[in-house]
Amino acid sequence: EPEVTQTPSHQVTQMGQEVILRCVPISNHLYFYWYRQILGQKVEFLVSFYNNEISEKSEIFDDQFSVERPDGSNFTLKIRSTKLEDSAMYFCASSEDWETQYFGPGTRLLVL
Amino acid sequence: RKEVEQDPGPFNVPEGATVAFNCTYSNSASQSFFWYRQDCRKEPKLLMSVYSSGNEDGRFTAQLNRASQYISLLIRDSKLSDSATYLCVVNPPNQGGKLIFGQGTELSVKP
Repeated sequence: EPEVTQTPSHQVTQMGQEVILRCVPISNHLYFYWYRQILGQKVEFLVSFYNNEISEKSEIFDDQFSVERPDGSNFTLKIRSTKLEDSAMYFCASSEDWETQYFGPGTRLLVL
Repeated sequence: RKEVEQDPGPFNVPEGATVAFNCTYSNSASQSFFWYRQDCRKEPKLLMSVYSSGNEDGRFTAQLNRASQYISLLIRDSKLSDSATYLCVVNPPNQGGKLIFGQGTELSVKP
């Protein structure tokens, strides 16, 4: 069964550093998403992406965040200058349509 | 009112029990609803979509009441492997596929 994959599984970084989280969505999916989950809190939407542009973004997704589909398979989330409060689990998801989304295993980001 | 609100947990039940989770949502224009399950520190996994007429998948039954903006999930004959957090999820219209998650209800099934 096809799956969304994410790398790395864990990332530790210093405050102020840039990080890039990588995702390989399911191959025939056209819609891509990033969510995050701070420990003990609910899953929160960050951004959706379709046809090489952002479709929707949340208030969390400020100028420090960007997304890119650099080639036909990868989908990346970049955080330009990490803050302590960016520490969270980041999930990538993909879907064939705007509805049923399948999630990757996540990247656990720790900002020190 | 919170966008998606769920029963507080945790629910501790014996194996074989029937357990029900409830959820309410605030956006009456929402059209798509889901239940996901999340194991500790893992990704949300789709359990089932929720259809207007109600739907069943094995031991799991989901119901939707649009008038009350209420969604439910019933688990019959619960197994130890059902222990997880159950997430009520709503996809509001015209928001680029954004999913709104509830806080989740933790279920612990004991032998």
